Amino acid sequence: NAGVTQTPKFQVLKTGQSMTLQCAQDMNHEYMSWYRQDPGMGLRLIHYSVGAGITDQGEVPNGYNVSRSTTEDFPLRLLSAAPSQTSVYFCASSYLGGAAFFGQGTRLTVV
Amino acid sequence: QQQVKQSPQSLIVQKGGISIINCAYENTAFDYFPWYQQFPGKGPALLIAIRPDVSEKKEGRFTISFNKSAKQFSLHIMDSQPGDSATYFCAASIKESGNQFYFGTGTSLTVIP
Repeated sequence: NAGVTQTPKFQVLKTGQSMTLQCAQDMNHEYMSWYRQDPGMGLRLIHYSVGAGITDQGEVPNGYNVSRSTTEDFPLRLLSAAPSQTSVYFCASSYLGGAAFFGQGTRLTVV
Repeated sequence: QQQVKQSPQSLIVQKGGISIINCAYENTAFDYFPWYQQFPGKGPALLIAIRPDVSEKKEGRFTISFNKSAKQFSLHIMDSQPGDSATYFCAASIKESGNQFYFGTGTSLTVIP
């Protein structure tokens, strides 16, 4: 049982480039979400999904897109990377009313 | 605004001592309160969680105390060990709003041998 798998683990982008962070879960959880973690700011919600085909914005959605075509996958797209998007990104999945389970994170640097 | 406020930002405890981390919230709709432990380079891992109908929950050396009227909850780590050195996050979630989680800003715990 892999849980939540994120790829890649590390990425360096140039300003203006686009990329997709991948997230997959094998726990059949309905709920999935993306967070960014910055020093002193905890984890902030970017986008979340309550099921396949349904997504919504979190606290800091600007510059990011998501889609959820299957229960298992929830990719995060950076449309035009900016230095302010340098962060550690975590994907999480959960069942209704239960704990969130996190992936190992993607450390993104935008230069 | 920060939905869940966590303190202290950092904590240094002697081996064998008690570590206490506090969190406060405003939204009474929160219905689930987990604590996460995070080691450097890893994702947050669920440590222990409580629901608002319970005032205390204990799992091994870890205890959550929950005060519904004060809208506060805390994590107590008894007999703290150097291996407990990590960052701890409190969180709160609302089942009815897409199971969204709101996190505190984290406490960096160092346990000195």
